[in-house]
Amino acid sequence: KQEVTQIPAALSVPEGENLVLNCSFTDSAIYNLQWFRQDPGKGLTSLLLIQSSQREQTSGRLNASLDKSSGRSTLYIAASQPGDSATYLCAVIDNDMRFGAGTRLTVKP
Amino acid sequence: NAGVTQTPKFRILKIGQSMTLQCTQDMNHNYMYWYRQDPGMGLKLIYYSVGAGITDKGEVPNGYNVSRSTTEDFPLRLELAAPSQTSVYFCASMGAGELFFGEGSRLTVL
Repeated sequence: KQEVTQIPAALSVPEGENLVLNCSFTDSAIYNLQWFRQDPGKGLTSLLLIQSSQREQTSGRLNASLDKSSGRSTLYIAASQPGDSATYLCAVIDNDMRFGAGTRLTVKP
Repeated sequence: NAGVTQTPKFRILKIGQSMTLQCTQDMNHNYMYWYRQDPGMGLKLIYYSVGAGITDKGEVPNGYNVSRSTTEDFPLRLELAAPSQTSVYFCASMGAGELFFGEGSRLTVL
């Protein structure tokens, strides 16, 4: 059974800092991995989808990497802004689908 | 371009009442899912469907039922609502390995 872990559970950084969020999974036989953002009281917004044949995806200030052999994905956020404050979740998609518990990010002005 | 649409957005139920959360998608996806998210917690899978007429239980199916008569619709029914079912419910569909979520339905059982 796939287990997905996100570390850290919470992170607080000053505005402008570059940061990395981590997602690890136990079974490397995955199809895709998807990163989401969730604002308080809101739904999930898709940020990046990395297919199993890809190593990374980029969108604006966001870069996500995938290393299936080590069971790890990272989400890199460059030049963080207060508007980036949210909970970030990763979803590992194989024959099943598992979510991490999320990392709650606070970017202080 | 509606995507995944959930109704209602908010609902208050009394203990023992029943209701149906509606979910529809216009992307012709075969895979659809229902999750619940309790405050400060992650998503837990309630039921999923791999196509019309096919449904299966997830991690926390007790107290819920689903049906999938069409590709577009995947309603979730709560029978005999209990306070433990107070949560935010999310419907999702998957196409080409990518997940798409509805905006959620916030349910309170008093």
